[in-house]
Amino acid sequence: DIQMTQSPSSLSASVGDRVTITCRASQSMSNYLNWYQQKPGRPPKLLIYVVSTLQSGVPSRFSGSGSGTDFTLTISSLQPEDFATYYCQQSYSLPLTFGGGTKVEIK
Amino acid sequence: QVQLQESGPGLVKPSQTLSLTCSVSGGSISSGSYYWSWIRQPAGEGMEWIGRIYSSGNTDYNPSLESRVTISIDPSKNQFSLSLSSVTAADTAVYYCARYDSSSGWFDPWGQGTLVTVSS
Repeated sequence: DIQMTQSPSSLSASVGDRVTITCRASQSMSNYLNWYQQKPGRPPKLLIYVVSTLQSGVPSRFSGSGSGTDFTLTISSLQPEDFATYYCQQSYSLPLTFGGGTKVEIK
Repeated sequence: QVQLQESGPGLVKPSQTLSLTCSVSGGSISSGSYYWSWIRQPAGEGMEWIGRIYSSGNTDYNPSLESRVTISIDPSKNQFSLSLSSVTAADTAVYYCARYDSSSGWFDPWGQGTLVTVSS
């Protein structure tokens, strides 16, 4: 199985801050990396797929980058609606696996 | 716009079988290059992929659950289902169904999720 390790597991930030979340895979996996946002009591929402492609309707302040084993989700200017938990997910090989999540909280 | 909705019992006794159904609306379960998946999330924890099914009936399961899982599909009802046998308290979680795109590997959309508690 490909293990996905996210860091940090949580962070506190203020509105307007630039936020970076890292996802590291246990083996190289090309560009089969997706990001989701989840708010309490809600299902995950697809934000970015194949590393850097924004899902339709997702604000441009979200961006993704990386290759091989190291990937990054960046929020350029944190907005109040962005406080949530973020998960990475690999689709390079079965079983499909998710990172443990990064909770973005209000400072 | 495709929408998914899970249904099934919210309480299952230990050693029994958990059964859930996902109803798909707004599109055919038989169209496109999509798989139909189940994912679960214990309270306060991360997500675990359970398995997926194609409209042809081909399935893939997470090896960690494979001995206890069956996913089936009913195109005539535009539904697919999950069966998990011999459940224990460790199977207590919110269960989601989701559409999986086989070319880019993303899950979208997701159902709202249903909490299944395993308890006597």
